[in-house]
Amino acid sequence: GAGVSQSPRYKVAKRGQDVALRCDPISGHVSLFWYQQALGQGPEFLTYFQNEAQLDKSGLPSDRFFAERPEGSVSTLKIQRTQQEDSAVYLCASSSAQEQPQHFGDGTRLSIL
Amino acid sequence: AQKVTQAQTEISVVEKEDVTLDCVYETRDTTYYLFWYKQPPSGELVFLIRRNSFDEQNEISGRYSWNFQKSTSSFNFTITASQVVDSAVYFCALSHYGQNFVFGPGTRLSVLP
Repeated sequence: GAGVSQSPRYKVAKRGQDVALRCDPISGHVSLFWYQQALGQGPEFLTYFQNEAQLDKSGLPSDRFFAERPEGSVSTLKIQRTQQEDSAVYLCASSSAQEQPQHFGDGTRLSIL
Repeated sequence: AQKVTQAQTEISVVEKEDVTLDCVYETRDTTYYLFWYKQPPSGELVFLIRRNSFDEQNEISGRYSWNFQKSTSSFNFTITASQVVDSAVYFCALSHYGQNFVFGPGTRLSVLP
């Protein structure tokens, strides 16, 4: 597609449920990033992939967060046993190379009740 | 550790006024990139500019201009003759070769008609 596509756009889950967020990057982009953006704050880095390799996961807040990109294209961010503090917008970005500008999707707004 | 500070939380100007958004960064890396992104109410982050740490030339793009000063670790952004459509949250960001990507907290700009 022309841009980074994220789904769902909105997700509401009950505390304790597992959720999966999808990111479809720009075709051909090798680098893929996940960010968490709390209300009124800047995006915070979660994890980074180069093709299918997860090169940096230092930003994942706990072992409940897991990301994968098995074929080097679509990526999924999974959150297990969700907590209220997980409520945020989750942004995905891709770039043609590591140091190139990142192109962002519209994000998934996650609300945990 | 890398850090980006945007001291101005919110700025309001009247249309056609000039406005400067401040960005101060901290890094121990000698090679790094600086970015500005715009986040309109729709939520998608839009890339505006990327600067390499070795290139201190100021840049102008239409009504936008950027002043990069390594001596003061600043990368300020000026909008000339502001318009209502410029209303958004603006983020300054710093990265070292695409890793350790750090965003500032953002400055909310409101341009009043």
